[in-house]
Amino acid sequence: KQEVTQIPAALSVPEGENLVLNCSFTDSAIYNLQWFRQDPGKGLTSLLLIQSSQREQTSGRLNASLDKSSGRSTLYIAASQPGDSATYLCAVLRFSSGSARQLTFGSGTQLTVLP
Amino acid sequence: ETGVTQSPTHLIKTRGQQVTLRCSSQSGHNTVSWYQQALGQGPQFIFQYYREEENGRGNFPPRFSGLQFPNYSSELNVNALELDDSALYLCASSSTDAVGRQFFGPGTRLTVL
Repeated sequence: KQEVTQIPAALSVPEGENLVLNCSFTDSAIYNLQWFRQDPGKGLTSLLLIQSSQREQTSGRLNASLDKSSGRSTLYIAASQPGDSATYLCAVLRFSSGSARQLTFGSGTQLTVLP
Repeated sequence: ETGVTQSPTHLIKTRGQQVTLRCSSQSGHNTVSWYQQALGQGPQFIFQYYREEENGRGNFPPRFSGLQFPNYSSELNVNALELDDSALYLCASSSTDAVGRQFFGPGTRLTVL
């Protein structure tokens, strides 16, 4: 059974700081790994997707890495801003029973960037 | 391009009632997945529909059921509601391309009293 863990559960940083969010998963047989952002009471916004054959993806101030063999991914946020405050969720995609491609999520890291 | 939409936004029901949630998939997507997100937790996979057939299911009882229509929109039905069914229900649509990205709707907040 795939399990995804995110550390830390909550993080508070001053504006301008660089930060790293961690994600680990127990089964390396994944199709891809995705990082999402979720604002309170809202749906999920996809930030970055890393295919299982890739090592990293970058978008603006965000960089995500994937080490499938060790079951780890990191999301690096450069020069954090108050608008980055949200919950960040890591999810791995795999084939479940039948032919479904199923996402398994961590519980998220709640990030607060203080002005 | 129209994104994933869900209705209603919020819903309040009492224990034992039945509820239907709706999802319209993104243009060009033939697969819809449903997830349940309890407060403070990550979303949990309920089931997935592909071409009107359920092709995968998570650890949810049979009182959670669904449909997918020829236009690829979908419904989630929950019978005999329990207090623990209170959650944000998220719908995600995707294609069967090699990337496997799932696009999420804004969710339906269900409260069971």
